[in-house]
Amino acid sequence: LAKTTQPISMDSYEGQEVNITCSHNNIATNDYITWYQQFPSQGPRFIIQGYKTKVTNEVASLFIPADRKSSTLSLPRVSLSDTAVYYCLVGERSNYQLIWGAGTKLIIKP
Amino acid sequence: DARVTQTPRHKVTEMGQEVTMRCQPILGHNTVFWYRQTMMQGLELLAYFRNRAPLDDSGMPKDRFSAEMPDATLATLKIQPSEPRDSAVYFCASGYQGSETQYFGPGTRLLVL
Repeated sequence: LAKTTQPISMDSYEGQEVNITCSHNNIATNDYITWYQQFPSQGPRFIIQGYKTKVTNEVASLFIPADRKSSTLSLPRVSLSDTAVYYCLVGERSNYQLIWGAGTKLIIKP
Repeated sequence: DARVTQTPRHKVTEMGQEVTMRCQPILGHNTVFWYRQTMMQGLELLAYFRNRAPLDDSGMPKDRFSAEMPDATLATLKIQPSEPRDSAVYFCASGYQGSETQYFGPGTRLLVL
């Protein structure tokens, strides 16, 4: 069973690139990795998803090394509105388990 | 803009009362998830359904919690009897098989006195 571990909190400044890493040592070959963003008083919102190497969309990039034991969410040129909690999720296809990280509280300063 | 809807948005009740929370998934989605979120425990998956059948409910306390999907447009989460430790925000999310993306509702904020 995979376990996901991510930093509790991070600080950065507007305009910087922010990288948040999640470790998932026991990930299986077919398991997928997803990242969500949550603002206060709202439900989590999908950011990006991948299996291996690199995935990029209009808001973020996801880097997954060959061993897949970790993944890094990269937010380019953050703004104050990126202040939120970011969760990584490993979905296990073999047994339908969903393993959520505890979330990383990201604070962006002016 | 299709969204997951949840009712009620807020609920205050007394210990021992029955609480029913409802969720309407996005039309066409065949997977529904129930989560509980507290400051102490974070986001916990309680149960999820695919094509209205439970796929995993291992996170749900079976003695007082029950989850059902009477039809494809309605999912319910019931607590009976409720206890103060059940106070939390309960989220419903939906998705469709093959996508793995979950779309979350706004949540039901429950306070049990």
